[in-house]
Formats: sequence, structure tokens, C-alpha cells
Amino acid sequence: EPEVTQTPSHQVTQMGQEVILRCVPISNHLYFYWYRQILGQKVEFLVSFYNNEISEKSEIFDDQFSVERPDGSNFTLKIRSTKLEDSAMYFCASRSRENYGYTFGSGTRLTVV
Amino acid sequence: EDQVTQSPEALRLQEGESSSLNCSYTVSGLRGLFWYRQDPGKGPEFLFTLYSAGEEKEKERLKATLTKKESFLHITAPKPEDSATYLCAVQAGYGGATNKLIFGTGTLLAVQP
Repeated sequence: EPEVTQTPSHQVTQMGQEVILRCVPISNHLYFYWYRQILGQKVEFLVSFYNNEISEKSEIFDDQFSVERPDGSNFTLKIRSTKLEDSAMYFCASRSRENYGYTFGSGTRLTVV
Repeated sequence: EDQVTQSPEALRLQEGESSSLNCSYTVSGLRGLFWYRQDPGKGPEFLFTLYSAGEEKEKERLKATLTKKESFLHITAPKPEDSATYLCAVQAGYGGATNKLIFGTGTLLAVQP
């Protein structure tokens, strides 16, 4: 069964450093997302991406965050200058069509120290 | 404001003891209600999508139902391997191609042998 692949599975970084989280969505999917889950809290929407541009973003997704789809397969989330409060599980998701099920990756656990 | 509330927060069942999880929602135009299963340290795993009141879907020991205000996930004769956090999420809004998912906090289910 097709799956969304995320790398790395765990990343530790120092406060103020830049991190790039990588995702390979399912190949025929058109809509791409990043969500995050702080330990013990609910899954929160960050950003959606369609047709090579951001289509929606949350208040969390400020100027420190950016997304890219540099080629036909990868989808990345960059955090320019990490803060302690950015520590969370980051999930990439994709779907093929509007109103179809979203497929989530296994996540990247980001720890900012 | 769109909201999703799940109850109970935690549920402990004996193997074979059937029960139901609740997801109540307040949204401006429901486009879909999603149930996911999440194991510790993993991404949400898709279970069901429901689109309109009265709809029901089944998969093995799980059955999801939907009304205009809430959804139930019924678990019949659960086994220890059904232990996980069950997440409810809604896709809301009218039009557009990239509506985000709004998640509840989940129900942590523990099934004891």
C-alpha cells in the first residue's frame, strides 16, 4: 500500500538553528500538508500546498516557516531559526482529491535544545 | 469557531467488551468527518471518512456512524491489538480545494486481555 515517507524520524537541534524536514508524498497525490503535534496535545494544522503554492496556513505558520516542493517528489518544511516551543512531532500528509482520505507519514520528532 | 470534542478522554475495556467513542463537532459546513487510529510515536492511520448524516461504515470490529452533530466509533468485541488513541477530525468550509483537518484531542483506548 502506498505510503507517505518522512525523514529523519528524529532530529535534535540547537535553538536558533535551521532545520529542514523532508517528506515524500504518495506519487499521484495533489494536495500536501504539514501538521504538528506537541506532546500530549492535539494534532494541529500548519500549512497546505496545492498547485505549487501555499493555499492555506495557520497562525502557527509564521515567517520562520517555509515549505517547498523542489521537484516532483519531495515536499519540505523549513524552520529558519528554531525555538524551544517548536519541539513537536511534525507530520506530513497528502491526498489525491478533495474530500478523499488524507494519508499521514510516520512523523519527524523534532527536539530543540 | 469550528470545534471538535471527543469523549471519553480515556477508556479501559476488557477483551470482548464492546463500547463506543464519541466525537461531537461544531463546524461551518461539514465536508467530511474522519476517524484515525494513532499508535504511540506514529502518524495517524486512516480508518473512515463519513460525509453525510445517516452514513455508516464498517471495518472489522469498528463501525463509524454520523449524525448532524456527532459521530460514534463503535468497537465490537475488542482485542488487545485495538489499543491505541482514536482521533476524530473534520474538514469544514465551503468551496476551495485545500480545507484543513481540525482534530479532536483523541480517546486513548486500552483493551486488557
